[in-house]
Amino acid sequence: KAGVTQTPRYLIKTRGQQVTLSCSPISGHRSVSWYQQTPGQGLQFLFEYFSETQRNKGNFPGRFSGRQFSNSRSEMNVSTLELGDSALYLCASSFGQAEAFFGQGTRLTVV
Amino acid sequence: GQQLNQSPQSMFIQEGEDVSMNCTSSSIFNTWLWYKQEPGEGPVLLIALYKAGELTSNGRLTAQFGITRKDSFLNISASIPSDVGIYFCAGQILMEYGNKLVFGAGTILRVKS
Repeated sequence: KAGVTQTPRYLIKTRGQQVTLSCSPISGHRSVSWYQQTPGQGLQFLFEYFSETQRNKGNFPGRFSGRQFSNSRSEMNVSTLELGDSALYLCASSFGQAEAFFGQGTRLTVV
Repeated sequence: GQQLNQSPQSMFIQEGEDVSMNCTSSSIFNTWLWYKQEPGEGPVLLIALYKAGELTSNGRLTAQFGITRKDSFLNISASIPSDVGIYFCAGQILMEYGNKLVFGAGTILRVKS
């Protein structure tokens, strides 16, 4: 069974631009969550999607958004990028309320 | 908000030694999870704990879910060089719909052979 796949692995963007990251969950998993990891703040919850609906959202500005498709694949978008958005963005999938499995992450660098 | 206090922040141990790390919180969690992360990779699930007082092993790893559901520890026996990495505890919070994870700051483990 394939694990959680995130694309791209690395991304460099300029301040003010917007970016879209993609996540394909483990087959059969319908819950997809996104986390931001930075040296200063650690791992922070962004949002969770289930059946194409956002169920929960963390304390991030509206520039951070996401969506989920009918095949459970998810994308997250960050608009008007700031230097502080540089981070490792992690996607996790789970089956119901069970444990979450993470992808390798997308390393975003904003210059 | 919910916070997990993970300690120690880092450990530098001799190969073959046992390792112990723990997480505490003022909040009650439904599930405790332990992950390991290596450079450039995402966290890999090591152990999941579901019941208060539960003790679970996975090879050389042993973890326990505190009886109050507010703490957990992870032990690694007979450490080897490939144990190097950052270990995170995570508490799962069940929301009205769905759930989210709250993470500790991580324990950096270095092993000298």
